[in-house]
Amino acid sequence: QKEVEQNSGPLSVPEGAIASLNCTYSDRGSQSFFWYRQYSGKSPELIMFIYSNGDKEDGRFTAQLNKASQYVSLLIRDSQPSDSATYLCAVRNAGGTSYGKLTFGQGTILTVHP
Amino acid sequence: NAGVMQNPRHLVRRRGQEARLRCSPMKGHSHVYWYRQLPEEGLKFMVYLQKENIIDESGMPKERFSAEFPKEGPSILRIQQVVRGDSAAYFCASSPRGSVQYFGPGTRLTVT
Repeated sequence: QKEVEQNSGPLSVPEGAIASLNCTYSDRGSQSFFWYRQYSGKSPELIMFIYSNGDKEDGRFTAQLNKASQYVSLLIRDSQPSDSATYLCAVRNAGGTSYGKLTFGQGTILTVHP
Repeated sequence: NAGVMQNPRHLVRRRGQEARLRCSPMKGHSHVYWYRQLPEEGLKFMVYLQKENIIDESGMPKERFSAEFPKEGPSILRIQQVVRGDSAAYFCASSPRGSVQYFGPGTRLTVT
């Protein structure tokens, strides 16, 4: 079982729709969760982070965390063609020498078509 | 406020040569991380450093790879005797106090 799993996609949504990206993780000790966006040939760009169960909203983006189910998601409202990218879910454990290290999923390719 | 800086952005090396990748963290950030992204693969952690200390090198290959973050100057990832399998994008990230990590533009290494 992979430590962090995402559907590779591609996920295709029409412009203006809600895109829903999902991620599960295996380590119950995980404390912090991050979503990065990566355009082709570019570096990862931080979109959101979430530490506590529930929802966290920032503009068109909402991150949702359920630690009991070991599940984190990202919703993108009013999707735009410029949102087309690979979305990376990252998880950080706490404690010991692993503190700070991020474990990434394979990424979900999102395509928003006009 | 400048972001994380990496150089060179593109590096071509022949098999057997050495590659040196440099990373300057964001101002005020004392934690540096190196990740590697192989073609068609995800980002993999390599090493975590603070000034003059290696905190976690659990993702570093046992041979040919080394990293440092001296008291003065950038962090350096060194790959000795490169092989074709080392061709990848190498990303550096920095953070204040080990929290949220911000990535640099990366160095694309090509081994011929």
